[in-house]
Amino acid sequence: DAGITQSPRYKITETGRQVTLMCHQTWSHSYMFWYRQDLGHGLRLIYYSAAADITDKGEVPDGYVVSRSKTENFPLTLESATRSQTSVYFCASWLGDRDTGELFFGEGSRLTVL
Amino acid sequence: GQNIDQPTEMTATEGAIVQINCTYQTSGFNGLFWYQQHAGEAPTFLSYNVLDGLEEKGRFSSFLSRSKGYSYLLLKELQMKDSASYLCAVRDSGTDKLIFGTGTRLQVFP
Repeated sequence: DAGITQSPRYKITETGRQVTLMCHQTWSHSYMFWYRQDLGHGLRLIYYSAAADITDKGEVPDGYVVSRSKTENFPLTLESATRSQTSVYFCASWLGDRDTGELFFGEGSRLTVL
Repeated sequence: GQNIDQPTEMTATEGAIVQINCTYQTSGFNGLFWYQQHAGEAPTFLSYNVLDGLEEKGRFSSFLSRSKGYSYLLLKELQMKDSASYLCAVRDSGTDKLIFGTGTRLQVFP
């Protein structure tokens, strides 16, 4: 049971380049989320998706693009990377069941923009 | 919007009890979560409160008061492995977004 996986786990890129972080889940969870984590800020929501073809902005969406053509995949694209986007990115998924409500997190993708 | 506050750092001694507080202000509430995160790792789920009261799970308990916008996580019989960050998060009832506080870094000393 692979669960939720992110790739790449580590990425170094240069300012202005396009970068895509992949997220794949095997549970058929309805909801998927992208967070970034920086010192002093905790986890901040970038984008989320309630189902395939439905996405919405979170707290810090500027500079990022997402898509959800299939339930299991939720890629995050930085169209023109900036140094301020150096961060650890976490993808998470949720069944959508409010009785438990637990989000499951991927292992994270550490991105450095030079 | 939502605002979630928790202390930045706390220290405690092995075997002791520690309480980590979380206060929140939200336009719509549909549950409060506590996650544990060790350095360099992903957050892992600890507890979920949607109704007022205390939820106990082994050494960890979580309390919620919706009228006061307040929760706490209680850790008993502290162990060295409990040294981690503890994240409080609130689910917005209108959007189902889960918004996190900045986390409380707990250091447990022998």
